[in-house]
Amino acid sequence: DVKVTQSSRYLVKRTGEKVFLECVQDMDHENMFWYRQDPGLGLRLIYFSYDVKMKEKGDIPEGYSVSREKKERFSLILESASTNQTSMYLCASSFPYYRGPNQPQHFGDGTRLSIL
Amino acid sequence: KQEVTQIPAALSVPEGENLVLNCSFTDSAIYNLQWFRQDPGKGLTSLLLIQSSQREQTSGRLNASLDKSSGRSTLYIAASQPGDSATYLCAPAGGNQGGKLIFGQGTELSVKP
Repeated sequence: DVKVTQSSRYLVKRTGEKVFLECVQDMDHENMFWYRQDPGLGLRLIYFSYDVKMKEKGDIPEGYSVSREKKERFSLILESASTNQTSMYLCASSFPYYRGPNQPQHFGDGTRLSIL
Repeated sequence: KQEVTQIPAALSVPEGENLVLNCSFTDSAIYNLQWFRQDPGKGLTSLLLIQSSQREQTSGRLNASLDKSSGRSTLYIAASQPGDSATYLCAPAGGNQGGKLIFGQGTELSVKP
């Protein structure tokens, strides 16, 4: 079974701190994704990566950056945390579409981040 | 831009009922469509993936259908159980969003014993 592991289930940080959320997958997937989920807004894509050191902005990249130094690990960075970044953060991974149209995305358990 | 709508937003049924969750999307140029389940405070669990060339996909008591031309998918749950209580999300991929998943708001299902 595919395993996508997020480093923390719950995290509390202070405004202005630099925050790192880590995600590791064990299926050698090229694609990795970071989403945030908020009530009434659903899941929104922050950033995704289709290979090591490759990244692309999603729908809401402002205030975030990402790092992918190794294929299995994708980090989301809040450069200077703000209260409006309090949310549930979800990481996902998948094979790319050129491997066929039946490549599901697999999700981690999520990190509930509170910025005080 | 792809927009995904799920109806109803919430559903409460007695145990044993068969039920249908609906998903509609505006851009029919998709590679596939995934249905997910999300339990409160948890991540997403992939239930079914239908490729654009398929009409149906089945897994146990779940059956998902896809009508790409009309921009619709349904998730049928047979003989519902209290353990089916969760939020169900549909997400088409491909088309003009570069292969990324676009999510609906979900249907919150409650199955009463």
